[in-house]
Amino acid sequence: AAGVIQSPRHLIKEKRETATLKCYPIPRHDTVYWYQQGPGQDPQFLISFYEKMQSDKGSIPDRFSAQQFSDYHSELNMSSLELGDSALYFCASSQPGTGYEKLFFGSGTQLSVL
Amino acid sequence: RKEVEQDPGPFNVPEGATVAFNCTYSNSASQSFFWYRQDCRKEPKLLMSVYSSGNEDGRFTAQLNRASQYISLLIRDSKLSDSATYLCVVTGTSGSARQLTFGSGTQLTVLP
Repeated sequence: AAGVIQSPRHLIKEKRETATLKCYPIPRHDTVYWYQQGPGQDPQFLISFYEKMQSDKGSIPDRFSAQQFSDYHSELNMSSLELGDSALYFCASSQPGTGYEKLFFGSGTQLSVL
Repeated sequence: RKEVEQDPGPFNVPEGATVAFNCTYSNSASQSFFWYRQDCRKEPKLLMSVYSSGNEDGRFTAQLNRASQYISLLIRDSKLSDSATYLCVVTGTSGSARQLTFGSGTQLTVLP
């Protein structure tokens, strides 16, 4: 079965650079979520999109922005990168209506800011 | 205080042991509850949903006590492959059913 696809798997950037992370949800899933997981931390919700509109916003810095496109894929844009942005970034998708809002996660993008 | 709190562990148990994890949540309006497992540096994967009536999936049993705002996961006959971090996850704690709030996880190591 198709899963959530994230790219790239690994990304190395320097401070003050920009980065773009991509997420392709499971087909027919119309909701995308972005999470940030620092070393030894639990995943922190950043932002979500439903039907290409932002549905919820969590602890996403102003330096970050995201959008969901017409094909439902989503991109997380990160600017003025800081050392503290180094983390594993997960994208997840869900198909509302299942009754329990189950999320399916991608394998994540490991971002390292040097 | 975190919205979702878990016993951090680590739990080191021998193969075949029974182990139980606990989780409490602070918002009584929380709507849905799950257990996820996460292997080191991998994505969280849904283990099971948690229902008020309790539910069982093979060696795994989950319980929800809404009155006490408490969730549990019981693993019987532990296998080496059960070694992972188990995340308690709750929805609806921030006023939206579309956000999941994760606990910090309980680390389990099953020893041969």
